[in-house]
Amino acid sequence: AQSVTQPDIHITVSEGASLELRCNYSYGATPYLFWYVQSPGQGLQLLLKYFSGDTLVQGIKGFEAEFKRSQSSFNLRKPSVHWSDAAEYFCAVGASGGSYIPTFGRGTSLIVHP
Amino acid sequence: DAGVIQSPRHEVTEMGQEVTLRCKPISGHNSLFWYRQTMMRGLELLIYFNNNVPIDDSGMPEDRFSAKMPNASFSTLKIQPSEPRDSAVYFCASSSGDASISGNTIYFGEGSWLTVV
Repeated sequence: AQSVTQPDIHITVSEGASLELRCNYSYGATPYLFWYVQSPGQGLQLLLKYFSGDTLVQGIKGFEAEFKRSQSSFNLRKPSVHWSDAAEYFCAVGASGGSYIPTFGRGTSLIVHP
Repeated sequence: DAGVIQSPRHEVTEMGQEVTLRCKPISGHNSLFWYRQTMMRGLELLIYFNNNVPIDDSGMPEDRFSAKMPNASFSTLKIQPSEPRDSAVYFCASSSGDASISGNTIYFGEGSWLTVV
């Protein structure tokens, strides 16, 4: 069965600094990978997704992620963080059997200092 | 455009009571999902429907939980009887097409925050 690990429970960055959130997956075949963001009291919103093709994926709000098969990783990056980026970030992998339905990691809470 | 609409947003109930959570998916979406979010277990898929038919309910924790989708614009998740360990945020989500094969974006509602005391 597929699984996703987000090693960092919390990440603290200063506004304007760069950001990288880590995600490692376990899946036998080519995975379908997602990043979602959840603002306090809100539902989840899709930031970006990878199914195939270019391993560098651009998303909304200035985020990007890079699929690295050799490292089983799909890390999320942003060159300059804004205070409004403070939220919970979830990495997810498509379910076994080739399904696109995401199975979520435990999330990383991003704290942004002014 | 209206997103996924869930009600109630917050509910506090006593152990043993029946709880019904409601969801209106985005108009035109064929797939509907119920997820549960807790600190202990994270975000778990409980059940998903395609064209109003339950496709995968393997995530439903036990017989106390049931979900229905009587038509394309409405779904319920019922817990009877409720227990304190059911306290969680329950999310409804929807997408166009068959979500398992389409890869279309899944849109989440704002959640129903359930507390069972």
